[in-house]
Amino acid sequence: QVQLQESGPGLVKPSQTLSLTCTVSGGSISSGGYYWSWIRQHPGKGLEWIGYIYYSGSTYYNPSLKSRVTISVDTSKNQFSLKLSSVTAADTAVYYCARVGPYSGYDYWGQGTLVTVSS
Amino acid sequence: EIVLTQSPGTLSLSPGERATLSCRASQSVSSSYLAWYQQKPGQAPRLLIYGASSRATGIPDRFSGSGSGTDFTLTISRLEPEDFAVYYCQQYGSSPETFGPGTKVDIK
Repeated sequence: QVQLQESGPGLVKPSQTLSLTCTVSGGSISSGGYYWSWIRQHPGKGLEWIGYIYYSGSTYYNPSLKSRVTISVDTSKNQFSLKLSSVTAADTAVYYCARVGPYSGYDYWGQGTLVTVSS
Repeated sequence: EIVLTQSPGTLSLSPGERATLSCRASQSVSSSYLAWYQQKPGQAPRLLIYGASSRATGIPDRFSGSGSGTDFTLTISRLEPEDFAVYYCQQYGSSPETFGPGTKVDIK
Protein backbone atom coordinates (compact mmCIF):
# COMPACT_ATOMS: atom_id res chain seq x y z
CA GLN A 1 0.00 0.00 0.00
CA VAL A 2 1.52 3.29 -1.11
CA GLN A 3 1.50 6.01 1.52
CA LEU A 4 2.45 9.66 1.20
CA GLN A 5 3.22 12.06 4.04
CA GLU A 6 3.73 15.81 3.79
CA SER A 7 6.08 17.61 6.13
CA GLY A 8 7.24 21.18 6.58
CA PRO A 9 6.55 24.42 8.42
CA GLY A 10 2.94 25.25 9.11
CA LEU A 11 3.63 28.98 9.25
CA VAL A 12 5.51 31.02 6.67
CA LYS A 13 6.07 34.77 6.64
CA PRO A 14 4.95 36.86 3.67
CA SER A 15 7.58 37.20 0.90
CA GLN A 16 9.41 34.10 2.13
CA THR A 17 9.60 30.67 0.50
CA LEU A 18 7.24 27.87 1.41
CA SER A 19 9.03 24.50 1.49
CA LEU A 20 7.32 21.14 1.83
CA THR A 21 8.51 17.57 1.45
CA CYS A 22 6.49 14.49 0.61
CA THR A 23 7.86 11.15 1.78
CA VAL A 24 6.63 8.11 -0.11
CA SER A 25 6.48 4.65 1.45
CA GLY A 26 5.23 1.33 0.13
CA GLY A 27 6.46 2.09 -3.35
CA SER A 28 9.50 3.53 -5.09
CA ILE A 29 9.41 6.85 -6.92
CA SER A 30 12.24 5.63 -9.17
CA SER A 31 10.28 2.61 -10.40
CA GLY A 32 8.59 4.92 -12.89
CA GLY A 33 5.12 4.83 -14.34
CA TYR A 34 3.76 7.55 -12.10
CA TYR A 35 4.06 11.27 -11.62
CA TRP A 36 4.33 12.84 -8.19
CA SER A 37 2.20 15.88 -7.65
CA TRP A 38 1.36 18.81 -5.43
CA ILE A 39 -2.19 20.10 -5.14
CA ARG A 40 -3.53 22.73 -2.79
CA GLN A 41 -6.90 23.65 -1.35
CA HIS A 42 -7.62 27.10 -0.02
CA PRO A 43 -9.68 27.06 3.20
CA GLY A 44 -13.25 26.10 2.41
CA LYS A 45 -12.54 26.16 -1.33
CA GLY A 46 -11.84 23.85 -4.23
CA LEU A 47 -8.68 22.14 -5.42
CA GLU A 48 -5.84 23.70 -7.40
CA TRP A 49 -3.20 21.72 -9.27
CA ILE A 50 0.29 23.07 -8.62
CA GLY A 51 2.38 20.68 -10.70
CA TYR A 52 4.13 17.33 -10.80
CA ILE A 53 7.44 15.65 -11.36
CA TYR A 54 8.61 12.37 -12.86
CA TYR A 55 11.39 10.37 -11.26
CA SER A 56 13.70 11.52 -14.06
CA GLY A 57 13.24 15.10 -12.94
CA SER A 58 10.89 16.25 -15.69
CA THR A 59 8.48 18.81 -14.29
CA TYR A 60 5.13 20.27 -15.28
CA TYR A 61 3.76 23.34 -13.55
CA ASN A 62 0.51 25.27 -13.46
CA PRO A 63 1.21 28.40 -15.55
CA SER A 64 -0.50 30.52 -12.90
CA LEU A 65 2.21 29.55 -10.39
CA LYS A 66 5.09 28.63 -12.67
CA SER A 67 7.21 31.69 -11.95
CA ARG A 68 7.24 30.88 -8.22
CA VAL A 69 7.18 27.07 -8.10
CA THR A 70 9.94 24.49 -8.04
CA ILE A 71 9.27 20.78 -7.61
CA SER A 72 12.23 18.49 -7.12
CA VAL A 73 12.79 14.81 -6.43
CA ASP A 74 15.27 12.88 -4.30
CA THR A 75 15.00 9.26 -5.34
CA SER A 76 17.59 8.17 -2.77
CA LYS A 77 15.25 9.29 0.00
CA ASN A 78 12.06 8.43 -1.91
CA GLN A 79 10.92 12.01 -1.48
CA PHE A 80 9.80 14.90 -3.60
CA SER A 81 9.56 18.52 -2.60
CA LEU A 82 7.75 21.76 -3.28
CA LYS A 83 9.14 25.26 -3.05
CA LEU A 84 6.87 28.25 -3.56
CA SER A 85 8.60 31.60 -3.43
CA SER A 86 7.39 35.10 -2.57
CA VAL A 87 4.34 33.84 -0.72
CA THR A 88 1.41 36.02 0.27
CA ALA A 89 -1.72 35.39 2.33
CA ALA A 90 -3.32 34.06 -0.86
CA ASP A 91 -1.00 31.05 -0.62
CA THR A 92 -2.54 29.98 2.69
CA ALA A 93 -3.95 26.55 1.97
CA VAL A 94 -3.87 22.87 2.72
CA TYR A 95 -1.13 21.39 0.57
CA TYR A 96 -1.46 17.79 -0.59
CA CYS A 97 1.04 15.54 -2.27
CA ALA A 98 -0.35 12.79 -4.46
CA ARG A 99 0.59 10.08 -6.94
CA VAL A 100 -0.83 10.25 -10.43
CA GLY A 101 -0.81 7.68 -13.18
CA PRO A 102 -0.74 8.78 -16.83
CA TYR A 103 -4.30 7.58 -17.32
CA SER A 104 -5.58 6.70 -13.89
CA GLY A 105 -5.99 9.93 -11.96
CA TYR A 106 -4.67 10.76 -8.52
CA ASP A 107 -4.93 7.46 -6.70
CA TYR A 108 -2.89 8.02 -3.53
CA TRP A 109 -2.86 11.20 -1.47
CA GLY A 110 -1.11 12.44 1.61
CA GLN A 111 -3.27 13.61 4.50
CA GLY A 112 -2.51 17.24 3.68
CA THR A 113 -0.74 19.93 5.63
CA LEU A 114 -2.06 23.40 6.39
CA VAL A 115 0.36 26.18 5.59
CA THR A 116 -0.54 29.62 6.83
CA VAL A 117 1.17 32.71 5.46
CA SER A 118 1.24 35.36 8.14
CA SER A 119 3.68 37.67 9.83
CA GLU B 1 -7.33 26.35 -19.62
CA ILE B 2 -10.32 24.01 -19.44
CA VAL B 3 -12.92 25.30 -16.99
CA LEU B 4 -15.10 22.68 -15.32
CA THR B 5 -18.57 23.55 -14.08
CA GLN B 6 -20.40 21.25 -11.69
CA SER B 7 -24.10 21.15 -11.01
CA PRO B 8 -25.95 21.32 -8.82
CA GLY B 9 -23.89 23.09 -6.19
CA THR B 10 -25.70 21.19 -3.46
CA LEU B 11 -27.80 18.06 -3.72
CA SER B 12 -30.04 17.22 -0.77
CA LEU B 13 -31.09 13.59 -0.76
CA SER B 14 -32.02 10.78 1.59
CA PRO B 15 -30.15 7.51 2.09
CA GLY B 16 -31.22 4.99 -0.52
CA GLU B 17 -31.93 7.63 -3.16
CA ARG B 18 -30.10 8.00 -6.46
CA ALA B 19 -27.68 10.88 -6.93
CA THR B 20 -26.81 12.31 -10.34
CA LEU B 21 -23.96 14.82 -10.48
CA SER B 22 -22.99 16.75 -13.59
CA CYS B 23 -19.64 18.07 -14.77
CA ARG B 24 -19.43 20.21 -17.89
CA ALA B 25 -16.16 21.28 -19.53
CA SER B 26 -15.53 24.51 -21.42
CA GLN B 27 -13.87 22.47 -24.18
CA SER B 28 -13.54 18.82 -25.03
CA VAL B 29 -11.64 16.75 -22.48
CA SER B 30 -8.84 14.86 -24.17
CA SER B 31 -9.31 11.09 -24.36
CA SER B 32 -11.87 11.19 -21.56
CA TYR B 33 -9.19 12.05 -19.03
CA LEU B 34 -11.88 12.91 -16.53
CA ALA B 35 -11.84 11.80 -12.91
CA TRP B 36 -14.20 12.07 -9.96
CA TYR B 37 -13.16 12.42 -6.34
CA GLN B 38 -15.00 12.28 -3.03
CA GLN B 39 -13.88 14.47 -0.16
CA LYS B 40 -15.08 14.39 3.43
CA PRO B 41 -14.31 17.13 5.99
CA GLY B 42 -10.71 17.05 7.17
CA GLN B 43 -9.74 14.34 4.68
CA ALA B 44 -7.86 14.21 1.42
CA PRO B 45 -9.85 13.59 -1.75
CA ARG B 46 -10.42 9.96 -2.67
CA LEU B 47 -10.33 8.80 -6.28
CA LEU B 48 -13.63 7.24 -7.35
CA ILE B 49 -13.62 7.24 -11.15
CA TYR B 50 -10.92 7.77 -13.78
CA GLY B 51 -11.04 7.76 -17.55
CA ALA B 52 -14.61 9.03 -17.23
CA SER B 53 -16.06 5.59 -16.43
CA SER B 54 -13.49 3.29 -14.80
CA ARG B 55 -13.92 2.66 -11.09
CA ALA B 56 -10.80 3.00 -8.98
CA THR B 57 -9.61 0.10 -6.88
CA GLY B 58 -11.93 -0.69 -4.00
CA ILE B 59 -14.74 1.63 -5.08
CA PRO B 60 -18.22 0.10 -4.67
CA ASP B 61 -20.20 -0.53 -7.83
CA ARG B 62 -22.94 1.87 -6.74
CA PHE B 63 -20.61 4.57 -8.10
CA SER B 64 -20.56 4.89 -11.87
CA GLY B 65 -19.26 7.47 -14.31
CA SER B 66 -20.27 8.25 -17.85
CA GLY B 67 -19.86 10.84 -20.56
CA SER B 68 -17.38 12.11 -23.09
CA GLY B 69 -16.35 15.31 -24.79
CA THR B 70 -17.67 18.11 -22.61
CA ASP B 71 -20.42 16.43 -20.57
CA PHE B 72 -19.81 13.94 -17.80
CA THR B 73 -21.93 12.41 -15.06
CA LEU B 74 -21.28 10.69 -11.76
CA THR B 75 -24.13 8.51 -10.54
CA ILE B 76 -24.49 7.01 -7.10
CA SER B 77 -27.22 4.41 -7.49
CA ARG B 78 -28.30 4.20 -3.84
CA LEU B 79 -26.85 6.58 -1.33
CA GLU B 80 -25.28 5.07 1.75
CA PRO B 81 -24.73 7.18 4.89
CA GLU B 82 -21.00 7.35 4.17
CA ASP B 83 -21.60 8.85 0.70
CA PHE B 84 -22.62 12.26 2.00
CA ALA B 85 -19.63 14.38 1.03
CA VAL B 86 -18.32 16.80 -1.57
CA TYR B 87 -17.59 15.47 -5.06
CA TYR B 88 -15.13 17.02 -7.48
CA CYS B 89 -14.53 16.34 -11.13
CA GLN B 90 -11.08 16.86 -12.61
CA GLN B 91 -9.68 16.87 -16.11
CA TYR B 92 -6.11 15.66 -16.50
CA GLY B 93 -5.82 15.57 -20.25
CA SER B 94 -4.73 19.16 -20.81
CA SER B 95 -2.35 21.38 -18.94
CA PRO B 96 -3.08 22.94 -16.58
CA GLU B 97 -5.08 20.19 -14.98
CA THR B 98 -8.21 21.65 -13.47
CA PHE B 99 -10.88 20.74 -10.95
CA GLY B 100 -14.52 21.65 -10.82
CA PRO B 101 -15.86 23.67 -7.86
CA GLY B 102 -17.54 20.64 -6.34
CA THR B 103 -21.02 19.34 -5.60
CA LYS B 104 -22.00 18.84 -1.99
CA VAL B 105 -24.29 15.89 -1.37
CA ASP B 106 -25.99 16.36 1.96
CA ILE B 107 -28.67 14.61 3.92
CA LYS B 108 -32.20 15.80 3.30
